[in-house]
Amino acid sequence: GQQLNQSPQSMFIQEGEDVSMNCTSSSIFNTWLWYKQDPGEGPVLLIALYKAGELTSNGRLTAQFGITRKDSFLNISASIPSDVGIYFCAGQLLGTSYGKLTFGQGTILTVHP
Amino acid sequence: DSGVTQTPKHLITATGQRVTLRCSPRSGDLSVYWYQQSLDQGLQFLIQYYNGEERAKGNILERFSAQQFPDLHSELNLSSLELGDSALYFCASRADSHTGELFFGEGSRLTVL
Repeated sequence: GQQLNQSPQSMFIQEGEDVSMNCTSSSIFNTWLWYKQDPGEGPVLLIALYKAGELTSNGRLTAQFGITRKDSFLNISASIPSDVGIYFCAGQLLGTSYGKLTFGQGTILTVHP
Repeated sequence: DSGVTQTPKHLITATGQRVTLRCSPRSGDLSVYWYQQSLDQGLQFLIQYYNGEERAKGNILERFSAQQFPDLHSELNLSSLELGDSALYFCASRADSHTGELFFGEGSRLTVL
């Protein structure tokens, strides 16, 4: 099936540092979504992107829809301990139905106080 | 709280058995999606229903089936269970709009022994 390459696989950072992660693919997407998943919980939607080049913020989170429509980036500024969790990118391939998402493998974020 | 309700939260059963997972979407959402999350495959789309009708299929095994009822709740039936079916099963719903934003339930953790 289609693949989304999400990197890095894991990050260990100090509280207060900024974090960047990204997803790339060889396929074109018309929607990019970023989710966070805590242990024992379902993924929670953080940011949704719908246009190439779009830059959207949600508090300390900023995400961008790549110009080529094949990638997306998520930045977290001034990290805090509650940012710990697994972050997933998800994309909807061009021509597929709404909600049929392809997920990246996740980035495990650990924040040291 | 996403508004999507899933039961049971945990389920332990034996190989060869059959189980049913239940999902109630957010109030007003007509679309229901089922996803499987396993360690080796990540989050994979299984199937989508819209207002009682199947709309899209993903990597769903023939041993698995689903349906959506008139009250919009959905059930995922897993039969002839194998060890490899052990996973988290998520239900998600989507507002009836031209966006791909999915809201996930907390999942049902299935363990097949």
